[in-house]
Amino acid sequence: LAKTTQPISMDSYEGQEVNITCSHNNIATNDYITWYQQFPSQGPRFIIQGYKTKVTNEVASLFIPADRKSSTLSLPRVSLSDTAVYYCLVGDENTNAGKSTFGDGTTLTVKP
Amino acid sequence: DGGITQSPKYLFRKEGQNVTLSCEQNLNHDAMYWYRQDPGQGLRLIYYSQIVNDFQKGDIAEGYSVSREKKESFPLTVTSAQKNPTAFYLCASRLTHANEYEQYFGPGTRLTVT
Repeated sequence: LAKTTQPISMDSYEGQEVNITCSHNNIATNDYITWYQQFPSQGPRFIIQGYKTKVTNEVASLFIPADRKSSTLSLPRVSLSDTAVYYCLVGDENTNAGKSTFGDGTTLTVKP
Repeated sequence: DGGITQSPKYLFRKEGQNVTLSCEQNLNHDAMYWYRQDPGQGLRLIYYSQIVNDFQKGDIAEGYSVSREKKESFPLTVTSAQKNPTAFYLCASRLTHANEYEQYFGPGTRLTVT
């Protein structure tokens, strides 16, 4: 499974756009990139997944450059409730039976 | 409501005792997983199961055991052989076909062993 590297922590203010970048230099051809959000004492929650270019849903966007060696999770206009840990996962869920490797994630703190 | 349930939310045990954590899902998911999370750290995979009556060790299986006798259930036993059992335990499940990669997590069980 490809190893991922994320910043340990980030601070932001309400209303700002937050971009969290994940490096995955060893990403394989069949690997997808998935982001999860976790609040304290809760299970992670799926945010978004992508393979290449850009993916957008109601809560976030995921930007993946052509070489796919990194990806950026973009959270528009964050609020205090977006304070959480964000995990980037890379893997081919089918061949690895969903054996995902969660790193330590990025702790995002949104300030008023 | 469909989802994953874990019970109990908090569990206290004395050192040397085995303890079983429950995980049940009614999502008709094929695969189920157990993770351990220590304070300030990410999730580490203990065991996972793709189908009934089959399961595989994850990255930190020592001191743990599981069973998968029913599709809906994947209980985890923390044995006395686990040296540092106090942690937050998370169960997850997902489909294993099509392009469904999302893992659905339960609320977790916080185990304290003294």
